[in-house]
Amino acid sequence: KNEVEQSPQNLTAQEGEFITINCSYSVGISALHWLQQHPGGGIVSLFMLSSGKKKHGRLIATINIQEKHSSLHITASHPRDSAVYICAVSDRSRLTFGEGTQLTVNP
Amino acid sequence: NAGVTQTPKFQVLKTGQSMTLQCAQDMNHNSMYWYRQDPGMGLRLIYYSASEGTTDKGEVPNGYNVSRLNKREFSLRLESAAPSQTSVYFCASSEGPYTIQETQYFGPGTRLLVL
Repeated sequence: KNEVEQSPQNLTAQEGEFITINCSYSVGISALHWLQQHPGGGIVSLFMLSSGKKKHGRLIATINIQEKHSSLHITASHPRDSAVYICAVSDRSRLTFGEGTQLTVNP
Repeated sequence: NAGVTQTPKFQVLKTGQSMTLQCAQDMNHNSMYWYRQDPGMGLRLIYYSASEGTTDKGEVPNGYNVSRLNKREFSLRLESAAPSQTSVYFCASSEGPYTIQETQYFGPGTRLLVL
């Protein structure tokens, strides 16, 4: 079993829909990261959080340390949100990445 | 600012050939990283440099060497390429000196095919 599990692996939505991507982890962590990988391959860090909730524009990330679970929400989704979303967790010495969730938003 | 740049963007090698992947950052970051990304697997750390003058092994260092040439540049060398090294390679940097809780900034990636 991977230390970082994301669900779903693939997600197709219609423009305007509210989207949720989930991340569960099995190790103790000091922080959790959400990254976005564009269709061209570039990777951008979206959030780093160790508790509670963070918001940036239409993106919201939450984490529940007790349940070892994080969610990434996208409100009012748009075709330009189509990308792979990657969850990663850090303990004191390493960063472990999930396999990613492929999101496609259709117009 | 260009951020993190990588060269080349794409490379085809024959088994046994050698090559160096170049990475440079213009953000005055202390820490730099090399990852590989393979289908069905998450990014995996090959080597990292916590600060100028230091390098350390990551999760999958076998078959690779690195050089932290100066604060800006961190190169990854394949001495004798193998088909198992076919992958997409990403360089990243963070402000550092190395702390795992920092945001990392990624380069555009290098696609390597070893025949």
